[in-house]
Amino acid sequence: NAGVTQTPKFRVLKTGQSMTLLCAQDMNHEYMYWYRQDPGMGLRLIHYSVGEGTTAKGEVPDGYNVSRLKKQNFLLGLESAAPSQTSVYFCASSDGYGYTFGSGTRLTVV
Amino acid sequence: GQQLNQSPQSMFIQEGEDVSMNCTSSSIFNTWLWYKQDPGEGPVLLIALYKAGELTSNGRLTAQFGITRKDSFLNISASIPSDVGIYFCAGPLTGANSKLTFGKGITLSVRP
Repeated sequence: NAGVTQTPKFRVLKTGQSMTLLCAQDMNHEYMYWYRQDPGMGLRLIHYSVGEGTTAKGEVPDGYNVSRLKKQNFLLGLESAAPSQTSVYFCASSDGYGYTFGSGTRLTVV
Repeated sequence: GQQLNQSPQSMFIQEGEDVSMNCTSSSIFNTWLWYKQDPGEGPVLLIALYKAGELTSNGRLTAQFGITRKDSFLNISASIPSDVGIYFCAGPLTGANSKLTFGKGITLSVRP
């Protein structure tokens, strides 16, 4: 009963590099979300998906792209990482009620 | 917009004390959720409230859905060291396919 699994847990990138964060859920949830958490800023929604094959922009989408090719996976991509993208990234899934969160990916861009 | 306000940003209490946190909004919410985030982990749902005036308990935690539907309260009684963490309130955005908005969170520290 894994719930929501995020990989990797930690990553250091150089400015300009690209990477993909993977989120996988095994609860058959329709809705999936990517948030970033920064000190004093709370959780800010980057992108979300209301079902397989759909994506939508959240509050802070610039510099990120997402894909939901399979219902259980939601990928967050950074095409050209910037120091401002240093943050902790959380994925969550939902069946329409409360969210279940992953344990986060700590990303540092140097 | 439908923003949720939590203050102060940090609270410091002594082990054994009770603590109360509130969450307010200028908009009406039909559901209030309280999450806790342990250090190094993702937020976990503590209590969900679905009706104005509702009072719900989960162990030493009690939460209330305000009558005006614009606020909610979370009380922790007899605090223990493992209560340390960030407490978020959250509520669904209107017509937003179950998209939640979160308060900025209150970081609770418990001194032994």
